[in-house]
Amino acid sequence: QQQVKQSPQSLIVQKGGISIINCAYENTAFDYFPWYQQFPGKGPALLIAIRPDVSEKKEGRFTISFNKSAKQFSLHIMDSQPGDSATYFCAASRAGGTSYGKLTFGQGTILTVHP
Amino acid sequence: GAGVSQSPSNKVTEKGKDVELRCDPISGHTALYWYRQSLGQGLEFLIYFQGNSAPDKSGLPSDRFSAERTGGSVSTLTIQRTQQEDSAVYLCASRPQGPPREQYFGPGTRLTVT
Repeated sequence: QQQVKQSPQSLIVQKGGISIINCAYENTAFDYFPWYQQFPGKGPALLIAIRPDVSEKKEGRFTISFNKSAKQFSLHIMDSQPGDSATYFCAASRAGGTSYGKLTFGQGTILTVHP
Repeated sequence: GAGVSQSPSNKVTEKGKDVELRCDPISGHTALYWYRQSLGQGLEFLIYFQGNSAPDKSGLPSDRFSAERTGGSVSTLTIQRTQQEDSAVYLCASRPQGPPREQYFGPGTRLTVT
């Protein structure tokens, strides 16, 4: 069962543009929503994360918007740069259960930023 | 400080052979996770270790897969009688005890079964 759905699968943006990646989740027990950035040959690196008690979190050019009622969250990359070209994964986890913090990932979005 | 390290970085093995993949978590991190990244399945959870508690093995795809964590630090993922569908990148992540839940990933081991 795909518990976190991510779109689009790929995204091409011009330098300076805004990149937007969307995710939707099903399990209302999820209470932690991170975004990871992955470059080829590297492991995923945490970019930014949000909890459902806030609707937006901003760190530099990266912003997460969170809609608890719709069970959706999105990543916005402002002023996109060629160095942002990577694969982005949304994820979700819950505090309870037998696997505290186990991440359920979206399918990933390949972002290409053209100079 | 040093991050999560994994070895080997690449492993090519023949179908039917056993392989061992190693993960060295960040010092002091009590929680350790194994994930598998493949083209068809994306990133999927395999197993979770927390301190001295029994591991959560609910993500292991078959009984050919096993993992152990010695001394609460280094972990080894073993795949017996490898199959071609086991070809993937195996990622290890560690986290300090309790919140926040940020996980730090290693670079992964790319396993190719021929």
